[in-house]
Amino acid sequence: AQKITQTQPGMFVQEKEAVTLDCTYDTSDQSYGLFWYKQPSSGEMIFLIYQGSYDEQNATEGRYSLNFQKARESANLVISASQLGDSAMYFCAMREGMAAGNKLTFGGGTRVLVKP
Amino acid sequence: DTGVSQDPRHKITKRGQNVTFRCDPISEHNRLYWYRQTLGQGPEFLTYFQNEAQLEKSRLLSDRFSAERPKGSFSTLEIQRTEQGDSAMYLCASSFGTQSGELFFGEGSRLTVL
Repeated sequence: AQKITQTQPGMFVQEKEAVTLDCTYDTSDQSYGLFWYKQPSSGEMIFLIYQGSYDEQNATEGRYSLNFQKARESANLVISASQLGDSAMYFCAMREGMAAGNKLTFGGGTRVLVKP
Repeated sequence: DTGVSQDPRHKITKRGQNVTFRCDPISEHNRLYWYRQTLGQGPEFLTYFQNEAQLEKSRLLSDRFSAERPKGSFSTLEIQRTEQGDSAMYLCASSFGTQSGELFFGEGSRLTVL
């Protein structure tokens, strides 16, 4: 069964507007971590934001915020004030268990294209 | 540059040949991961080291694949008797075991098997 599901294969967004990327997950663990990564055309995976399952506040990092809805097993990424450089693939990932060394499981990704 | 580095960045080989990829993690990171990514897909976990110990291997890692991290620093991933289905981007990542445990990725090694 898919543990991480990203249902939007691709999205267009107008420059300076906000965009929400969907991510749902499936786990039986009580303790887990959720991550978002950006992969530009150069190929490198860039860490954006992290949310722990016990964190009560939604994570924010600059223009990135994570809309964490635990009961719905949802961890959507919101990018505010989109920039042309935000055009990339975006991956949601989960670490099951809170041991920091545990591997990440990735979703299939969402391609974002920012239009000027 | 103190990031994760991978070598070679691109490798083209003929089916049946052996290939080896090298990964140099961020120096203070004790954990090292290998992932494989095919076009249009998310990265898939292959294996994970803590220091020199290989702690987990995915079932994706067939007998033709072997990974080592002999001194707990750099790592190698070898693929023997390559097949066309091995064509992919091989990503290396490292981490230091912070609370969040985010992985820092290299730029990957792209393998094309003809």
